[in-house]
Amino acid sequence: GENVEQHPSTLSVQEGDSAVIKCTYSDSASNYFPWYKQELGKRPQLIIDIRSNVGEKKDQRIAVTLNKTAKHFSLHITETQPEDSAVYFCAATSGGSARQLTFGSGTQLTVLP
Amino acid sequence: NAGVTQTPKFQVLKTGQSMTLQCAQDMNHEYMSWYRQDPGMGLRLIHYSVGAGITDQGEVPNGYNVSRSTTEDFPLRLLSAAPSQTSVYFCASTPAEGKIAFGSGTRLTVV
Repeated sequence: GENVEQHPSTLSVQEGDSAVIKCTYSDSASNYFPWYKQELGKRPQLIIDIRSNVGEKKDQRIAVTLNKTAKHFSLHITETQPEDSAVYFCAATSGGSARQLTFGSGTQLTVLP
Repeated sequence: NAGVTQTPKFQVLKTGQSMTLQCAQDMNHEYMSWYRQDPGMGLRLIHYSVGAGITDQGEVPNGYNVSRSTTEDFPLRLLSAAPSQTSVYFCASTPAEGKIAFGSGTRLTVV
């Protein structure tokens, strides 16, 4: 089955700096790659996603890049703010289904004021 | 439109007890799933359903049962709770385009 690895597990940045979180996946058939943000005690919330026919997608301060050849994708957050502090999860479709996801283990991002 | 409604929010069980976590969605999604979240391990798929009357196992199904008698409801049953099932459980509902909507979660402690 699909295996998704996520790095780093913890990341601290100064406010205003950029943060990058990287994920690799194993199933070459994966075609949908969402990113979720989870604040303490809350449910995961979708923040951005990308499909396999696109190499990059941006939404204000966040962007995701996808390299299908290398089977890795990354989340980029620019001009970080304290409210960006949370756990971020990457995911990839698995089992040949467009709706079955395998998640990475998460990255605890801390933005220092 | 309430989205995904999950109950209870918190539960403490004794080893060997049984319970059912409830999940309901009002978005008419065919695909529903249950995940458990443990520290440092992300979310792992327990069971999923592609429609009423159809369920299948995910990555970590042992110790859990599910049923899907209607499109709206997808309960998760623990038949004999074990301390290893202490976790946070999320029900999820997914439309055709794959954007999962999670319930608010159930924090379960088995003592």
